[in-house]
Amino acid sequence: NAGVTQTPKFRILKIGQSMTLQCAQDMNHNYMYWYRQDPGMGLKLIYYSVGAGITDKGEVPNGYNVSRSTTEDFPLRLELAAPSQTSVYFCASRGAGPSNQPQHFGDGTRLSIL
Amino acid sequence: DQQVKQNSPSLSVQEGRISILNCDYTNSMFDYFLWYKKYPAEGPTFLISISSIKDKNEDGRFTVFLNKSAKHLSLHIVPSQPGDSAVYFCAASATQGAQKLVFGQGTRLTINP
Repeated sequence: NAGVTQTPKFRILKIGQSMTLQCAQDMNHNYMYWYRQDPGMGLKLIYYSVGAGITDKGEVPNGYNVSRSTTEDFPLRLELAAPSQTSVYFCASRGAGPSNQPQHFGDGTRLSIL
Repeated sequence: DQQVKQNSPSLSVQEGRISILNCDYTNSMFDYFLWYKKYPAEGPTFLISISSIKDKNEDGRFTVFLNKSAKHLSLHIVPSQPGDSAVYFCAASATQGAQKLVFGQGTRLTINP
């Protein structure tokens, strides 16, 4: 019963490098989300997707890109890593039933940009 | 402009007593509210939710109260147990659309034996 799986768990990047954070869910959920959590703060929405091929910006999208080619996967791309992107990144998903279903989260990717 | 606020960064409660965590919001469009619990190095885990058509929702030891006129919600945990020690996040969204959650900063709850 995997749920939402995020890889890698930890990563250190140099300024200007790029990387892709992976997120996969096995619950056949239509909705998927990326959040970031900075120290002492709540989670902030970066991007979300309502289904394969459909993505949209959240509150803090600058510096990130996403794609959703399948229902299961929702990767988050950092093109030119900056120190301000040091954070913990969480992926979440929920089903397409009633809109008051909760989101289910992965265990996060801790990313440091040095 | 913080739309969801948890004004208490931390709370310490004795085992067996009631824990009350508070959350305030400013956006009148919010009509669905959730509480998540988070342990270190893990993702948030859904605890309980409430929609704006209710003022109370109960699930075992956990009860959420919603006061729409005050734009305030609270989470009550009775009785508190050591395993309840975690960070608790309040989140809100408008049920219309994709449920874009707005989170509070979190409250670290410590249950003392």
